[in-house]
Amino acid sequence: QQPVQSPQAVILREGEDAVINCSSSKALYSVHWYRQKHGEAPVFLMILLKGGEQKGHEKISASFNEKKQQSSLYLTASQLSYSGTYFCGTETPGANNLFFGTGTRLTVIP
Amino acid sequence: NAGVTQTPKFQVLKTGQSMTLQCAQDMNHNSMYWYRQDPGMGLRLIYYSASEGTTDKGEVPNGYNVSRLNKREFSLRLESAAPSQTSVYFCASSEASFLPQPPQHFGDGTRLSIL
Repeated sequence: QQPVQSPQAVILREGEDAVINCSSSKALYSVHWYRQKHGEAPVFLMILLKGGEQKGHEKISASFNEKKQQSSLYLTASQLSYSGTYFCGTETPGANNLFFGTGTRLTVIP
Repeated sequence: NAGVTQTPKFQVLKTGQSMTLQCAQDMNHNSMYWYRQDPGMGLRLIYYSASEGTTDKGEVPNGYNVSRLNKREFSLRLESAAPSQTSVYFCASSEASFLPQPPQHFGDGTRLSIL
């Protein structure tokens, strides 16, 4: 039930944009996104509930397409501080577990 | 405001030893979680607790026990440590009183090595 993230890694120059995708083989109730810097705890970014809403957090936003069972995280005009590993987590209706993807390592260079 | 506090931050054990990882949150959150993080595996849920006095198994509960001592504290115990339990352990919490809900705040982690 683990969601699949793509790409596994991406390198950007400051100011460039990136999209990180999270897909599930099962119907989703919600998707949540986190960022983790090396050696630190994950930081909760946002949760998207069933209904296709798009949410934003600074220059980071996300969408949730329940029909396609996927979510995308959009990072615009990237900054050095955006570097880290981004994880999506998914909640499946009726399940007792929340599953995390294996992460996308984002590196922003000057 | 300390958030979620985990102790210890680092620990080395020998196979077969036991130990308890401690976690406390000061945000008056209802739900607490224990995750392990291994390279290339993402975060995997060990146990969670929706409220004081209740605990439930997550994805990888074997070899672990938990206690929700009160609303603030949620401990994780390894009764007989095995090398496969070498990992980084994160405690987390969320406001939700019903589960499943995603964790919102994480502790700094406990880096556990079992020889």
